[in-house]
This record gives sequence, structure tokens and C-alpha cells, in this order.
Amino acid sequence: EVQLVESGGGLVQPGESLRLSCAASGFTFSTYWMNWVRQAPGKGLEWVANIKPGGTEKYYVDSVKGRFTISRDNAKNSLYLQMNSLRAEDTAIYYCARDGELTGDLFDYWGQGALVTVSS
Amino acid sequence: DVVMTQSPLSLPVTLGQPASISCRSSQSLVHSDGNTYLNWFQQRPGQSPRRLIYKVSNRDSGVPDRFSGSGSGTDFTLKISRVEAEDVGIYYCMQGTHWPPLTFGGGTKVEIK
Repeated sequence: EVQLVESGGGLVQPGESLRLSCAASGFTFSTYWMNWVRQAPGKGLEWVANIKPGGTEKYYVDSVKGRFTISRDNAKNSLYLQMNSLRAEDTAIYYCARDGELTGDLFDYWGQGALVTVSS
Repeated sequence: DVVMTQSPLSLPVTLGQPASISCRSSQSLVHSDGNTYLNWFQQRPGQSPRRLIYKVSNRDSGVPDRFSGSGSGTDFTLKISRVEAEDVGIYYCMQGTHWPPLTFGGGTKVEIK
């Protein structure tokens, strides 16, 4: 059974940093694209970043470029999101989501989410 | 960026009756490989999103056959043939043809009248 479990959320002040983790199990993690998707309180879904299986390609939404870094450790079956210079508008539930095997087979499995609150 | 526009924002439906959600993209979602990468997701209250439909009309495993997707180019539709209580939630369309960024529609809230 595919499982994605996020951790590392919490309350931070504006300008601070936080690192989210996503532990994957039930599939061969090293062969799948992985994503971070966020949802601000009461709002819709926003894709944040994704990363190729080998970690050589990474893409980001413009609003987080230069502040967030997606990475993975295939030996540990883990996905990460390093978030620096956090702003109030980054407050959201952050979901880890897997892409399927075929091109365009996006977000077939999701984690339960990790809440990040940026407030002074 | 491709803008995804859903309508209506809110959809009150009587149990057992059909429901239809529209999703329009700001440009054609036909990929150069000939596929159209338009997905639908359901988010029940308090839960993570769940994919229902991929590539316009393909139902995911375990998704009831009362859910169907259709459309082409820039206009797409998610239909629920007979709404059940468990279908309450917010539905999102998402395009994966022109990225980055991958973009979602704003969501349609389905509720029971």
C-alpha cells in the first residue's frame, strides 16, 4: 500500500525557516516524480514544486523561487521541502504527492498534510 | 501560466440527482504528444485531496462509475450521475499539459440541498 507521511510542520515567525519531510513507503520511491502542493486556510490547491526521480530536475511556482528548495533522499525514501524566508502568505497545509508512472499521470497519491503557520 | 476556471463555485444538489461541474482552461490542453492532461480531484471535508479522473476521462481505481469526465481542448466537465451523501466536498480540476507551473481550478463545492 502506498503511504506518504508528512512531518515537520509548525508555527514560525516571518523570516524564519522550516524543513518539511515526507516519508514514502509501499512503492519504489526512487523511480517516481514527487511534488509538494499547498492549501492556505479555506483556500484552493496550489502546486509548489516537483522533483525528478534522480533529483537532477526541480521546478517551482514563481512565488517560492529562491526561498524554497525541494530535495529527496532515495536511500531513505524521503522527500523534503526546505522553506526559508517564510512569509505570512506561506501559511498552509503542505501535501506531499506522488506522480504516477506514465507521462502526465499526476498526483495519484497524497499524504495527510503538514500544517505550516507563519505568524508573529 | 494556464488559468483554470471552474463553475459554479457552489453546487447544491438533491440526493440521487445528477451534478455537473465545468472547467475551462485559458489555452488548449492538448499536449504535443497528442494527450490532454486534465485531471479531477475530490476533497472531502477534513481530508486530503483524492484523484478521481486523469487524462480527461479515465477513472482512477476504486472511483465509483457514477463519476465521469469529458471534454476537449479548453472545455471540460465532471459529471456525477446520481449524487450520494459521500460525494459532498470540493472538486478541483488541474492541468498538467503546460508546466511549470501545474495549475488548479479554484474549486467547486458540492453540497446536499
